[in-house]
Amino acid sequence: EVQLVESGGAVVRPGGSLRLSCVGSGVNFEIYGMSWVRQRPGKGLEWVSGINWNGGSTGYADSVKGRFSISRDNARNSLYLQMNSLRAEDTALYYCARDRSGSYSGGMDVWGQGTTVTVSS
Amino acid sequence: QSALTQPASVSGSPGQSITISCTGTSSDVGAYNYVSWYQHHAGKAPKLLIYEVSNRPSEISHRFSGSKSGDTASLTIYGLQAEDEADYFCISYTRLNTLVFGGGTRLTVL
Repeated sequence: EVQLVESGGAVVRPGGSLRLSCVGSGVNFEIYGMSWVRQRPGKGLEWVSGINWNGGSTGYADSVKGRFSISRDNARNSLYLQMNSLRAEDTALYYCARDRSGSYSGGMDVWGQGTTVTVSS
Repeated sequence: QSALTQPASVSGSPGQSITISCTGTSSDVGAYNYVSWYQHHAGKAPKLLIYEVSNRPSEISHRFSGSKSGDTASLTIYGLQAEDEADYFCISYTRLNTLVFGGGTRLTVL
């Protein structure tokens, strides 16, 4: 069974940093694009960042550009999100999701269960 | 990056058909055939229903259909069933090499 498992969520102070991880199993992780998607409390889903199959192409939502960095290690079937200069509005449940293609064009067919990030003093 | 526009809610009776719209711009929905649709039950991971405007994963019922005209994409659900009651949202790729989500639509089966 194809599975994605996120980890790394925590409570962190404003201005702090956090690194989220997402490990894939039961899938050829290295051939798929990946995205991070978040859901703030009481809000809809929001795309955060995406990366293509080999890490050569990445994209970021304006709300996180310059603060967050996406990366992947295909040898470890892992996706990462480095989150710096965290703000209260980054508080959310963060999902990783696999794209059907080698890019991140939006056909996300496998999702993790999410990891919670809380930014609070 | 403004969110794609979806109706907040739609409703229908069992057996009926409903359509949910997803309106963007010429920089996203109108630019590429990279619109996808998802079903989301609270507390669960979203489920891909449609990708690339009108393609359906093999495990998804033929009752779900996607289309696009200009800057607006649509999801039609035929033969509504009670278990279709959920939130639905669209995603589009954009000219800025990003993705943009719709605000989501709550479907109520009467």
